[in-house]
Amino acid sequence: QVLLVQSGAEVKKPGASVKVSCKASGYAFTAFYIHWVRQAPGQGLEWMGWINPNTGATNYAQRFQGSVTLTRDTSITTTYLELSSLTSDATAIYYCARVGLNSLSFFDYWGQGTVVTVSS
Amino acid sequence: QSALTQPRSVSGSPGQSVTISCTGTSTDVGAFNFVSWYQHHPVKAPKLIIFDVNKRPSGVPDRFSGSKSGNTASLTISGLQADDDGDYYCSSYAGRYSVIFGTGTKVTVL
Repeated sequence: QVLLVQSGAEVKKPGASVKVSCKASGYAFTAFYIHWVRQAPGQGLEWMGWINPNTGATNYAQRFQGSVTLTRDTSITTTYLELSSLTSDATAIYYCARVGLNSLSFFDYWGQGTVVTVSS
Repeated sequence: QSALTQPRSVSGSPGQSVTISCTGTSTDVGAFNFVSWYQHHPVKAPKLIIFDVNKRPSGVPDRFSGSKSGNTASLTISGLQADDDGDYYCSSYAGRYSVIFGTGTKVTVL
């Protein structure tokens, strides 16, 4: 079955960086884009961007350009979300999600979420 | 780009129907038939319940239905059940390979 398993919770200080992983299994890893979505405390879901696991091409929401980097390692079917220059605003649950077959925008499988807390 | 607009909350008694609206613009909801809906319970991953405006993934009961008119999409939950309680989010393709989510609606089953 399709599974997206994310890395565990992180606590970071302001100014630091964090890298969250999302390991995919149960399907052809390079055939489906992976998107990242976050939910800050008390807020709604917010789309961050995607990576094409086949080519490594990425696209980011405007507000995250420059502070977010998506990468992948096809040898271990894993994608990564790296957040740099962390501020308290980055405290959130981060989800990876697989886009549906032949889709541009709906997500049929999700990771369990990774809590990132930024605190001094 | 602002989030799609949803009502903050809706409620209904078991067996009743509720409808959640999702209002966007002519560059997202109005421009594409790529609206999806997600059910989200706290500390769980969101679950896809509607895609491409009105299609249901396998396993989602037909109590959930979607529609769209102009810049507004809607999700209707018929025959409300206790486990329909939770947060619901719409999302839409917004062009230039981007996605936008709604503000979220809390559904309360009375």
